[in-house]
Amino acid sequence: AQKVTQAQTEISVVEKEDVTLDCVYETRDTTYYLFWYKQPPSGELVFLIRRNSFDEQNEISGRYSWNFQKSTSSFNFTITASQVVDSAVYFCALRGDFQGAQKLVFGQGTRLTINP
Amino acid sequence: DGGITQSPKYLFRKEGQNVTLSCEQNLNHDAMYWYRQDPGQGLRLIYYSQIVNDFQKGDIAEGYSVSREKKESFPLTVTSAQKNPTAFYLCASTSGQALNSPLHFGNGTRLTVT
Repeated sequence: AQKVTQAQTEISVVEKEDVTLDCVYETRDTTYYLFWYKQPPSGELVFLIRRNSFDEQNEISGRYSWNFQKSTSSFNFTITASQVVDSAVYFCALRGDFQGAQKLVFGQGTRLTINP
Repeated sequence: DGGITQSPKYLFRKEGQNVTLSCEQNLNHDAMYWYRQDPGQGLRLIYYSQIVNDFQKGDIAEGYSVSREKKESFPLTVTSAQKNPTAFYLCASTSGQALNSPLHFGNGTRLTVT
């Protein structure tokens, strides 16, 4: 079965600190995609990034960076120089073709609070 | 602008009543999904539909029903059989069956049953 674990339920840091959100996954698929979503207080989930199982290159987008390591089944997300607007719940998700079901499986989410 | 519209934003019902949550998309997406969000439990899949007139149960389908008569609409009915219906419900859609297609989400409906 597919599973995504975000062990950090809540994280609170002071503005300008760097923060890393952990994501560990389990899957039997050889082809799969990993995603990160942001859920601000408005409730809508906003897509941030996707990474396929064959591409282990790290990615940087402004203050955001993602580290995908297949050897440890992890897809961690780092925010550099955090800002108050980064406060949200962040979800890691996995989508594979296990038994033909192309469902997006979510982790429990990490609530990130950036204090001024 | 294209997007997913969920209505209403807040919904209150008495126990024992069925209630239907609306989800409409104008993105011309084939697949649509319903997720339930509870504090500390992330998002759990209720039902999904990959094509009109077809849908499959997700992980927590008991007490829920759906229909997919039109491509743009995927309403969810929370029946009186659902034991703990109070939750935040999110509708999503995606353009196809490709694994790399991200889901687009609506703003959600917060349902409170008393």
